[in-house]
Amino acid sequence: QVQLVESGGGVVQPGRSLRLSCVASGFIFRDYALFWVRQTPDKGLEWVAVISYDVNNNYYADSVKGRFTISRDNSKNTIYLQMNSLRTEDTAVYYCASSASYDFGSLDYWGQGTLVTVSS
Amino acid sequence: DIQMTQSPSTLSASVGDRVTITCRASQSIGDWLAWYQQRPGKAPKLLIYKASTLNTGVPSRFSGSGSGTEFTLTISSLQPDDFATYYCHQYNLYSNFGQGTKLEIK
Repeated sequence: QVQLVESGGGVVQPGRSLRLSCVASGFIFRDYALFWVRQTPDKGLEWVAVISYDVNNNYYADSVKGRFTISRDNSKNTIYLQMNSLRTEDTAVYYCASSASYDFGSLDYWGQGTLVTVSS
Repeated sequence: DIQMTQSPSTLSASVGDRVTITCRASQSIGDWLAWYQQRPGKAPKLLIYKASTLNTGVPSRFSGSGSGTEFTLTISSLQPDDFATYYCHQYNLYSNFGQGTKLEIK
């Protein structure tokens, strides 16, 4: 049974940092690209970052480029999202999701999401 | 950036109805399009990928079609479980989602 479990969300002040984690199980982790996707009531679903299955490539949405870093540890079946210089507009539910592709692809499995609130 | 526009934003229908949701891309994306269903408080669930391929376990009343810039998701006979929000998603060039279509009970 495939599971993706996010953690690390919470309330943080603008300008501060937060690191999200996502632990995967039930599939061959190293064969899948992994994504972070966020959702707000106003903007809907927004792709944030993707890391290729071999770790060699990662891509970011313009809205987070230079502030967020995606990484993965294939030995721990875990991906991370390091979020620096957080802004109020980064407030969202953050999902990790997997894709049976090298990088961009359809998102086969999703975690339950973790809420990040950026507020003073 | 490729813009994905869904219509309608809200759709009212009854159990047993046939409904169609449209998704238009601002430039050609081939058939690199997926559809997701999202129920309140839950994560999106993949229904269809590559425009028309049904994901494993998804009922056959769901179907997708289209290529290039215009795509449709059709539910042939609505069931109570189908009232949810549906999103299209292009993955031809980076990744973009439509704004969603809320399917509600009439």
